[in-house]
Amino acid sequence: SQKIEQNSEALNIQEGKTATLTCNYTNYSPAYLQWYRQDPGRGPVFLLLIRENEKEKRKERLKVTFDTTLKQSLFHITASQPADSATYLCALEFSGGYNKLIFGAGTRLAVHP
Amino acid sequence: DVKVTQSSRYLVKRTGEKVFLECVQDMDHENMFWYRQDPGLGLRLIYFSYDVKMKEKGDIPEGYSVSREKKERFSLILESASTNQTSMYLCASTPGVGKYFGPGTRLTVT
Repeated sequence: SQKIEQNSEALNIQEGKTATLTCNYTNYSPAYLQWYRQDPGRGPVFLLLIRENEKEKRKERLKVTFDTTLKQSLFHITASQPADSATYLCALEFSGGYNKLIFGAGTRLAVHP
Repeated sequence: DVKVTQSSRYLVKRTGEKVFLECVQDMDHENMFWYRQDPGLGLRLIYFSYDVKMKEKGDIPEGYSVSREKKERFSLILESASTNQTSMYLCASTPGVGKYFGPGTRLTVT
């Protein structure tokens, strides 16, 4: 079955640095790979989607890369701020699946002033 | 802005009770989903619906059923609540790209 691995340990970084989160998956490559932000006690919020034929996607301070050979996506937040502290979820979507997503367990990011 | 609302933020029920969780979205989305989220396990798909009265099982449908009588409303039903159904329940809808989640219902079954 499809598995998604995100670093279960929290990532602690200093304000202003670039945070890099990793998402690895097994078996089949998805048609789309998505990243979500989740704050404690709240539902996830959609951030970015990258397609299987795209190498990189950017949105403001966010950058996502997708390597189907390595079966890996990297999620970068540049010039990080304490307000970026949250749990970040990676999710895979396969074509023809009614937009079903398979989620990773998430990585908690803490940005310290 | 898309809004997905869930009927309760917190719910406490007893073992054996029938539990209804309601979800409403206001953007005319075709597809709606119910997930549960548990520490270390991520979000797991319970059921989804791609149209009114249509439903499909997700990865963990046992002990749950759903109802979609109107396009904007998708209900999750726990037929006989058990303690292992204590969890955070999240509803979502999608226009195709990205999902919009509700705030979640934290259900405790005692």
